[in-house]
Amino acid sequence: DGGITQSPKYLFRKEGQNVTLSCEQNLNHDAMYWYRQDPGQGLRLIYYSQIVNDFQKGDIAEGYSVSREKKESFPLTVTSAQKNPTAFYLCASSIGLAGGLGETQYFGPGTRLLVL
Amino acid sequence: AQSVTQLDSHVSVSEGTPVLLRCNYSSSYSPSLFWYVQHPNKGLQLLLKYTSAATLVKGINGFEAEFKKSETSFHLTKPSAHMSDAAEYFCVVRPTRPTSGTYKYIFGTGTRLKVLA
Repeated sequence: DGGITQSPKYLFRKEGQNVTLSCEQNLNHDAMYWYRQDPGQGLRLIYYSQIVNDFQKGDIAEGYSVSREKKESFPLTVTSAQKNPTAFYLCASSIGLAGGLGETQYFGPGTRLLVL
Repeated sequence: AQSVTQLDSHVSVSEGTPVLLRCNYSSSYSPSLFWYVQHPNKGLQLLLKYTSAATLVKGINGFEAEFKKSETSFHLTKPSAHMSDAAEYFCVVRPTRPTSGTYKYIFGTGTRLKVLA
């Protein structure tokens, strides 16, 4: 069964703590993305990766970090520098950023991060 | 600059009546356009997409959308609403040429659809 998995479903962060959200895909996609979703604001791009060992900042990268050591995995770390981390985090993937018409993003089920 | 505007943040319809969710876009070049649906605490699921072929696009669950270049619109419709359609819907534009060297998906702020029994 091909798809994208995210874990955990809920994550709690204490003051000053770094936490890591997992994203794994078995779709053989080159491109992967992290979005943050807040009520009434749609989805905002945090980081994206076009290929293994490469990633680029999105629109709201401050306070976040990523790695892309394997094609299947794109973990997101929310650092203590992110002062307002409470949100729903969505991971997505697509075949590649080659610009093909209608290239579709596929989304994972999301992780909800809450601050204690 | 590319942008997408969903004209209604909330829409309420009665079960069995038509659904209309409005989306306008701005793009320097002919874009690809998508509609996604999101149920509470879930990821986004693709409903349909437009890629410069037929202007009337049919999707899953009886939804369809029509690309109107002259109006820069891509409204989502369904002839008869079902209770299970209650969810949040996102219109997304993806330019077919890069901006600052990258291709990005630009999301609308969402329309929450409520279906009344």
